[in-house]
Amino acid sequence: QVHLVQSGAEVKKPGASVKISCKTSGYTFNKFAIQWISQAPGQRLEWLGYIHAGNGNTKYSKKLQGRVTITRDTSASTVYMELSSLRSADTAVYYCARDLAGYRSVYFDSWAQGTLVTVSS
Amino acid sequence: SYVLTQPPSVSVAPGQTARIPCGGNHIGTKSVHWYQLKPGQAPVLVVYDDYDRPSGIPERFSGSNSGNTATLTISRVEAGDEADYYCHVWDSSSDHVFGPGTKVTVL
Repeated sequence: QVHLVQSGAEVKKPGASVKISCKTSGYTFNKFAIQWISQAPGQRLEWLGYIHAGNGNTKYSKKLQGRVTITRDTSASTVYMELSSLRSADTAVYYCARDLAGYRSVYFDSWAQGTLVTVSS
Repeated sequence: SYVLTQPPSVSVAPGQTARIPCGGNHIGTKSVHWYQLKPGQAPVLVVYDDYDRPSGIPERFSGSNSGNTATLTISRVEAGDEADYYCHVWDSSSDHVFGPGTKVTVL
């Protein structure tokens, strides 16, 4: 059974960085990509970027380009998302999700429980 | 950039049918996926590629997509279906795009 578990809630000051982990199990880690999605309070879901666990290829949203870095540790079947230069607008729940190739696009078939990141001085 | 629209809320009595529209320019040419979000829980994929259901999702959940509107339909609504539902597409110019979400309230 596919299972994704994220690290716990974080409280950070403006300007700091945060690194969230997403530990996967129940499937062959190297064969899939892991996507990151956020949801700020009262806002819609927002795509942040992804990493292919096999070859390490990444792609980031234009909005966050330069502030977000996604990495993986294949030995631990874990993916990390680091967001730097935090500002109050980055306060959100951050999710990781596995993607599957659909008919015309990928979709996110298994999600983790989310990590609340609060940015406050 | 590609924009999706959804009504903020839909209310439905138990046993009745809830229909949640997701609007987008020529959305019928794209694959639409739907997610259910409940507070404190991991989001759940309920429909992918317009109308396919993942294993474990009841047949009460169905989808359609044509023209400028995709629709998630929940038949014989139950109290446990109360949640926020988000549509999702991939667009070549915008990457992954989500709708604003629709809160389904079971009366």
